[in-house]
Amino acid sequence: EDQVTQSPEALRLQEGESSSLNCSYTVSGLRGLFWYRQDPGKGPEFLFTLYSAGEEKEKERLKATLTKKESFLHITAPKPEDSATYLCAVSGSARQLTFGSGTQLTVLP
Amino acid sequence: DAGVTQSPTHLIKTRGQHVTLRCSPISGHKSVSWYQQVLGQGPQFIFQYYEKEERGRGNFPDRFSARQFPNYSSELNVNALLLGDSALYLCASSPWGTGVIVQETQYFGPGTRLLVL
Repeated sequence: EDQVTQSPEALRLQEGESSSLNCSYTVSGLRGLFWYRQDPGKGPEFLFTLYSAGEEKEKERLKATLTKKESFLHITAPKPEDSATYLCAVSGSARQLTFGSGTQLTVLP
Repeated sequence: DAGVTQSPTHLIKTRGQHVTLRCSPISGHKSVSWYQQVLGQGPQFIFQYYEKEERGRGNFPDRFSARQFPNYSSELNVNALLLGDSALYLCASSPWGTGVIVQETQYFGPGTRLLVL
Protein backbone atom coordinates (compact mmCIF):
# COMPACT_ATOMS: atom_id res chain seq x y z
CA GLU A 1 0.00 0.00 0.00
CA ASP A 2 1.34 3.42 -1.00
CA GLN A 3 1.91 5.83 1.88
CA VAL A 4 2.80 9.53 2.14
CA THR A 5 3.74 11.41 5.31
CA GLN A 6 4.22 15.17 5.34
CA SER A 7 5.96 17.26 7.97
CA PRO A 8 5.56 19.58 9.68
CA GLU A 9 1.76 19.70 9.88
CA ALA A 10 1.89 23.48 10.22
CA LEU A 11 4.63 26.05 9.68
CA ARG A 12 4.65 29.76 10.45
CA LEU A 13 7.34 31.89 8.81
CA GLN A 14 8.16 35.54 8.75
CA GLU A 15 8.21 37.11 5.30
CA GLY A 16 11.63 36.43 3.78
CA GLU A 17 12.41 33.51 6.13
CA SER A 18 13.31 30.52 3.94
CA SER A 19 12.38 26.95 4.94
CA SER A 20 11.64 23.45 3.64
CA LEU A 21 8.66 21.12 3.73
CA ASN A 22 9.20 17.36 3.86
CA CYS A 23 7.35 14.52 2.13
CA SER A 24 8.33 10.93 2.97
CA TYR A 25 6.86 8.18 0.82
CA THR A 26 6.66 4.46 0.18
CA VAL A 27 5.26 3.37 -3.17
CA SER A 28 5.18 0.34 -5.41
CA GLY A 29 6.64 1.36 -8.75
CA LEU A 30 6.90 5.15 -8.57
CA ARG A 31 5.36 6.75 -11.65
CA GLY A 32 5.56 10.28 -10.28
CA LEU A 33 5.65 12.46 -7.16
CA PHE A 34 3.48 15.55 -7.24
CA TRP A 35 3.30 18.78 -5.29
CA TYR A 36 0.09 20.80 -5.15
CA ARG A 37 -0.91 24.04 -3.48
CA GLN A 38 -4.40 24.30 -2.00
CA ASP A 39 -6.13 27.46 -0.81
CA PRO A 40 -9.05 27.13 1.65
CA GLY A 41 -12.20 25.74 0.03
CA LYS A 42 -10.59 25.35 -3.39
CA GLY A 43 -9.22 22.50 -5.46
CA PRO A 44 -5.49 21.65 -5.42
CA GLU A 45 -3.38 23.67 -7.86
CA PHE A 46 -0.62 21.75 -9.62
CA LEU A 47 2.95 22.85 -8.90
CA PHE A 48 5.47 20.14 -9.82
CA THR A 49 5.89 16.57 -11.02
CA LEU A 50 9.11 14.69 -10.22
CA TYR A 51 9.86 11.31 -11.75
CA SER A 52 13.25 10.07 -10.55
CA ALA A 53 15.70 10.49 -7.68
CA GLY A 54 17.97 13.49 -8.15
CA GLU A 55 15.44 15.46 -10.15
CA GLU A 56 14.83 19.10 -9.24
CA LYS A 57 12.26 21.62 -10.47
CA GLU A 58 11.83 25.32 -9.74
CA LYS A 59 9.04 27.84 -10.04
CA GLU A 60 9.44 31.36 -8.70
CA ARG A 61 10.25 31.02 -4.96
CA LEU A 62 9.62 27.25 -4.90
CA LYS A 63 12.04 24.40 -5.58
CA ALA A 64 11.15 20.71 -5.37
CA THR A 65 13.69 17.91 -5.02
CA LEU A 66 13.37 14.13 -4.96
CA THR A 67 15.30 11.24 -3.40
CA LYS A 68 14.36 7.55 -3.29
CA LYS A 69 12.49 8.03 -0.01
CA GLU A 70 11.71 11.74 0.32
CA SER A 71 10.85 14.93 -1.47
CA PHE A 72 11.46 18.44 -0.23
CA LEU A 73 9.71 21.65 -1.18
CA HIS A 74 12.07 24.53 -0.52
CA ILE A 75 10.56 28.00 -0.17
CA THR A 76 13.01 30.86 -0.62
CA ALA A 77 12.18 34.32 0.76
CA PRO A 78 8.44 33.58 1.07
CA LYS A 79 5.78 36.25 0.79
CA PRO A 80 2.36 36.35 2.53
CA GLU A 81 0.71 35.24 -0.73
CA ASP A 82 2.57 31.92 -0.43
CA SER A 83 0.36 31.07 2.55
CA ALA A 84 -1.59 27.90 1.70
CA THR A 85 -1.67 24.17 2.36
CA TYR A 86 0.96 22.30 0.36
CA LEU A 87 0.06 18.72 -0.58
CA CYS A 88 2.39 15.94 -1.67
CA ALA A 89 1.12 12.90 -3.59
CA VAL A 90 2.57 9.81 -5.27
CA SER A 91 1.39 7.75 -8.20
CA GLY A 92 2.43 4.12 -8.18
CA SER A 93 1.80 1.08 -10.32
CA ALA A 94 -1.98 1.48 -9.88
CA ARG A 95 -1.78 5.04 -11.34
CA GLN A 96 -3.85 6.46 -8.48
CA LEU A 97 -2.78 9.42 -6.39
CA THR A 98 -2.07 8.82 -2.70
CA PHE A 99 -1.87 12.10 -0.78
CA GLY A 100 -0.30 13.16 2.48
CA SER A 101 -2.26 15.28 4.95
CA GLY A 102 -0.49 18.43 3.86
CA THR A 103 1.57 21.20 5.47
CA GLN A 104 -0.32 24.36 6.33
CA LEU A 105 2.05 27.26 5.65
CA THR A 106 1.45 30.74 7.07
CA VAL A 107 3.76 33.58 6.04
CA LEU A 108 3.51 36.62 8.27
CA PRO A 109 4.20 40.12 6.88
CA ASP B 1 -8.15 27.13 -22.04
CA ALA B 2 -10.86 25.95 -19.66
CA GLY B 3 -9.72 23.85 -16.76
CA VAL B 4 -11.63 21.07 -15.05
CA THR B 5 -15.16 22.18 -14.22
CA GLN B 6 -17.46 20.74 -11.57
CA SER B 7 -21.09 21.26 -10.68
CA PRO B 8 -22.72 22.15 -8.43
CA THR B 9 -20.29 24.18 -6.32
CA HIS B 10 -22.22 23.62 -3.11
CA LEU B 11 -24.92 21.15 -2.08
CA ILE B 12 -26.91 20.52 1.07
CA LYS B 13 -28.67 17.17 1.52
CA THR B 14 -30.26 15.23 4.37
CA ARG B 15 -29.35 11.75 5.54
CA GLY B 16 -30.67 8.96 3.31
CA GLN B 17 -30.90 11.10 0.20
CA HIS B 18 -29.05 10.57 -3.07
CA VAL B 19 -26.65 13.00 -4.76
CA THR B 20 -25.11 13.30 -8.25
CA LEU B 21 -21.97 15.34 -8.83
CA ARG B 22 -20.72 16.25 -12.31
CA CYS B 23 -17.31 16.86 -13.82
CA SER B 24 -16.02 18.01 -17.22
CA PRO B 25 -12.32 17.32 -17.88
CA ILE B 26 -9.79 19.51 -19.63
CA SER B 27 -10.23 19.30 -23.39
CA GLY B 28 -8.20 16.40 -24.74
CA HIS B 29 -7.96 14.59 -21.40
CA LYS B 30 -9.44 11.10 -21.44
CA SER B 31 -9.10 10.09 -17.80
CA VAL B 32 -11.13 11.36 -14.85
CA SER B 33 -10.59 10.57 -11.19
CA TRP B 34 -12.71 11.38 -8.14
CA TYR B 35 -11.43 12.19 -4.65
CA GLN B 36 -13.04 12.92 -1.29
CA GLN B 37 -11.41 15.47 0.99
CA VAL B 38 -12.56 15.93 4.57
CA LEU B 39 -11.44 18.96 6.54
CA GLY B 40 -7.81 18.82 7.59
CA GLN B 41 -6.97 15.77 5.48
CA GLY B 42 -5.49 15.18 2.04
CA PRO B 43 -7.76 14.01 -0.79
CA GLN B 44 -8.64 10.31 -0.73
CA PHE B 45 -9.01 8.37 -3.98
CA ILE B 46 -12.52 7.11 -4.86
CA PHE B 47 -12.58 6.16 -8.58
CA GLN B 48 -10.59 6.44 -11.77
CA TYR B 49 -12.07 6.16 -15.27
CA TYR B 50 -10.43 5.99 -18.66
CA GLU B 51 -12.28 5.61 -21.95
CA LYS B 52 -15.55 4.99 -20.06
CA GLU B 53 -14.11 2.03 -18.14
CA GLU B 54 -13.39 1.90 -14.42
CA ARG B 55 -9.61 1.57 -13.99
CA GLY B 56 -9.41 1.83 -10.23
CA ARG B 57 -11.51 2.01 -7.09
CA GLY B 58 -10.56 3.18 -3.62
CA ASN B 59 -11.76 1.88 -0.27
CA PHE B 60 -15.28 3.28 -0.39
CA PRO B 61 -18.62 1.46 0.12
CA ASP B 62 -20.89 0.39 -2.71
CA ARG B 63 -23.07 3.44 -2.03
CA PHE B 64 -20.52 5.27 -4.16
CA SER B 65 -20.66 4.76 -7.92
CA ALA B 66 -19.50 6.64 -10.98
CA ARG B 67 -19.52 6.59 -14.73
CA GLN B 68 -17.80 8.28 -17.64
CA PHE B 69 -19.58 9.40 -20.78
CA PRO B 70 -18.44 9.31 -24.45
CA ASN B 71 -17.42 12.98 -24.21
CA TYR B 72 -15.18 12.02 -21.22
CA SER B 73 -17.29 13.91 -18.68
CA SER B 74 -18.15 12.01 -15.53
CA GLU B 75 -20.70 11.67 -12.76
CA LEU B 76 -20.21 10.57 -9.17
CA ASN B 77 -23.29 9.19 -7.42
CA VAL B 78 -23.69 8.64 -3.72
CA ASN B 79 -26.74 6.81 -2.34
CA ALA B 80 -28.15 6.69 1.18
CA LEU B 81 -26.13 9.68 2.35
CA LEU B 82 -24.57 9.62 5.80
CA LEU B 83 -23.37 12.53 7.93
CA GLY B 84 -19.81 11.30 7.34
CA ASP B 85 -20.17 11.86 3.60
CA SER B 86 -19.92 15.61 4.19
CA ALA B 87 -16.75 16.65 2.40
CA LEU B 88 -15.22 18.43 -0.58
CA TYR B 89 -15.51 16.17 -3.63
CA LEU B 90 -12.78 16.75 -6.16
CA CYS B 91 -12.55 15.71 -9.78
CA ALA B 92 -9.21 15.51 -11.58
CA SER B 93 -8.40 14.90 -15.22
CA SER B 94 -5.27 13.66 -16.97
CA PRO B 95 -4.33 12.71 -20.52
CA TRP B 96 -3.57 9.13 -19.42
CA GLY B 97 -1.81 7.59 -22.39
CA THR B 98 0.82 4.89 -22.26
CA GLY B 99 4.58 5.02 -22.25
CA VAL B 100 4.81 8.77 -21.79
CA ILE B 101 5.50 9.61 -18.16
CA VAL B 102 4.64 13.28 -18.52
CA GLN B 103 0.97 12.34 -18.86
CA GLU B 104 0.72 11.18 -15.23
CA THR B 105 -0.09 14.66 -13.88
CA GLN B 106 -3.67 15.11 -12.68
CA TYR B 107 -5.29 18.55 -12.76
CA PHE B 108 -8.03 19.29 -10.27
CA GLY B 109 -11.29 21.14 -10.49
CA PRO B 110 -12.61 23.54 -7.83
CA GLY B 111 -14.61 20.82 -6.10
CA THR B 112 -18.18 20.38 -4.89
CA ARG B 113 -18.78 21.08 -1.21
CA LEU B 114 -21.37 18.57 0.08
CA LEU B 115 -23.01 19.04 3.46
CA VAL B 116 -25.21 16.23 4.81
CA LEU B 117 -27.57 17.19 7.63
